[in-house]
Amino acid sequence: KAGVTQTPRYLIKTRGQQVTLSCSPISGHRSVSWYQQTPGQGLQFLFEYFSETQRNKGNFPGRFSGRQFSNSRSEMNVSTLELGDSALYLCASSFLDGGNTEAFFGQGTRLTVV
Amino acid sequence: KNQVEQSPQSLIILEGKNCTLQCNYTVSPFSNLRWYKQDTGRGPVSLTIMTFSENTKSNGRYTATLDADTKQSSLHITASQLSDSASYICVVVSANFGNEKLTFGTGTRLTIIP
Repeated sequence: KAGVTQTPRYLIKTRGQQVTLSCSPISGHRSVSWYQQTPGQGLQFLFEYFSETQRNKGNFPGRFSGRQFSNSRSEMNVSTLELGDSALYLCASSFLDGGNTEAFFGQGTRLTVV
Repeated sequence: KNQVEQSPQSLIILEGKNCTLQCNYTVSPFSNLRWYKQDTGRGPVSLTIMTFSENTKSNGRYTATLDADTKQSSLHITASQLSDSASYICVVVSANFGNEKLTFGTGTRLTIIP
């Protein structure tokens, strides 16, 4: 069974640009969550999608947005990139709608903004 | 304010020795507590998920404990191996009417030396 796949693995962008990251969850998983990880802040929750609907949202500016498609694949978009957006962006999928189900993380996309 | 604090921030031990990592939380309402292991440059991998009624849970050489009264958890690693070198992240999940909110600790960086 394939794991959570995130593409691309590495990305370099310049300030002001926009970027789209992709996440393919484990087959059958309908919940996809996105996280930003930086050395200083640790893991921070961005948003969660379930059946194409955003169910939860973290405390990030509107420049961060996402969506989920009917096949559960999800994309995250960051517009008007800032230097502080440099981070590892992680996606996690789970089978059921919340509860105690395990979340499986992808390898992440390392975004560097220069 | 929901918070998860982990200690120590970093730890270096000799291969073969045991160690214990701590996690204190102030998250309400409590749903479950999770420990993740994250190797450098990779996504976190789940070690254990503990609900309110579980005091101890083991996964091989990893044993997690939970004291819901004092809001403390620990992760004990027995007979450490070089491959245990990683960051260990404690995550506390609160759930309200089906909506899950994850609060992450900043992790403990464990280094095993030969």
